[in-house]
Amino acid sequence: DTGVSQNPRHKITKRGQNVTFRCDPISEHNRLYWYRQTLGQGPEFLTYFQNEAQLEKSRLLSDRFSAERPKGSFSTLEIQRTEQGDSAMYLCASSLEGVGPSTDTQYFGPGTRLTVL
Amino acid sequence: LAKTTQPISMDSYEGQEVNITCSHNNIATNDYITWYQQFPSQGPRFIIQGYKTKVTNEVASLFIPADRKSSTLSLPRVSLSDTAVYYCLVVLSGGYNKLIFGAGTRLAVHP
Repeated sequence: DTGVSQNPRHKITKRGQNVTFRCDPISEHNRLYWYRQTLGQGPEFLTYFQNEAQLEKSRLLSDRFSAERPKGSFSTLEIQRTEQGDSAMYLCASSLEGVGPSTDTQYFGPGTRLTVL
Repeated sequence: LAKTTQPISMDSYEGQEVNITCSHNNIATNDYITWYQQFPSQGPRFIIQGYKTKVTNEVASLFIPADRKSSTLSLPRVSLSDTAVYYCLVVLSGGYNKLIFGAGTRLAVHP
């Protein structure tokens, strides 16, 4: 069991640049979640996929954010025209499909820490 | 209006029982309550999950009253390695953020 992996682990970028993060879930998991976590706060839900379908997307997610999960395997999260307020830890989690998202046991990756200068 | 409420921090000593309560007044009717543990520079890790009454596993117990507006995570006989941040995760009714983590309770276990 290799767990959930995320790359890169750290990203420093300048304001206005685009960044892309990758998440590789546990291989047999068909649900994949993205969260954002700022210092001292709990993870904030961004979006989730069931296989390749994006089923939920937070209304807090601006149109500069987009996520994909082609072929229902790995996922990418892209942030366009980054702003300093985007600085955060971006967490990915995966799970086996349960009755609903609240019943899933989510396995989290180590996160990608984004710093926007 | 807070979506969930947890104590910001708690202190305990090795061998003691620790109870952390999360208030979630607007929890969705059919959804579960889950607790996660997080160490610095790591993603959260699943501890326990329940819908009502009491659930126990090898590491913790979860108590949920009949109205389900709160839940209490109980850690028996904590050790130094239990020093971490603990989050409740719920689904709130009528909200646009389907999955809501609490702000977390920072538990410090002292020798």
